[in-house]
Amino acid sequence: QKEVEQDPGPLSVPEGAIVSLNCTYSNSAFQYFMWYRQYSRKGPELLMYTYSSGNKEDGRFTAQVDKSSKYISLFIRDSQPSDSATYLCAMTRYNKFYFGSGTKLNVKP
Amino acid sequence: ETGVTQTPRHLVMGMTNKKSLKCEQHLGHNAMYWYKQSAKKPLELMFVYNFKEQTENNSVPSRFSPECPNSSHLFLHLHTLQPEDSALYLCASSQSTLAGGPNEQFFGPGTRLTVL
Repeated sequence: QKEVEQDPGPLSVPEGAIVSLNCTYSNSAFQYFMWYRQYSRKGPELLMYTYSSGNKEDGRFTAQVDKSSKYISLFIRDSQPSDSATYLCAMTRYNKFYFGSGTKLNVKP
Repeated sequence: ETGVTQTPRHLVMGMTNKKSLKCEQHLGHNAMYWYKQSAKKPLELMFVYNFKEQTENNSVPSRFSPECPNSSHLFLHLHTLQPEDSALYLCASSQSTLAGGPNEQFFGPGTRLTVL
């Protein structure tokens, strides 16, 4: 079983939709939970990170962690074509990173 | 230059060639990483350097040889590669592998490698 599971998509939504991206994990020792965004022909860039269960909001983005279910989500409100990218979840345990395979998102104008 | 830079951005090489990938970080970090990114697979960590010392080698074949002359520069020397080594090679840096907190990694744009 992979440590971090992420649906590769692609996920296609119309502009303005609410997008939900998810990852599950198997190791309860993970400490930090992160979301990276990767545009085509670019490296991943960190969007948000959280430490504890609950929600963290930053503009149109909300990161949610449910440690009891070992499930994390990234919600994007009022999605824009510029949000089209691959979204990678990542988790850390003692400074070691574990990445999901990424979900490709396409927001259609 | 800001952030993490990588050169070249694209590389095509034959199986008998020798080439090198270069990474430079301008963030004052002490840890640097090489990752391999293949389609629909998670990022594969290859090597980790902390304060110029290699701290992790994830069973990478010897045809990949890293070099870290200082905390700002990282190289990946390539020789006798196989077609299945074709991928995007990403360099990243972070404060250090011993830092508290999320120790977020900052990535370069990657080198798209094609092995013929």
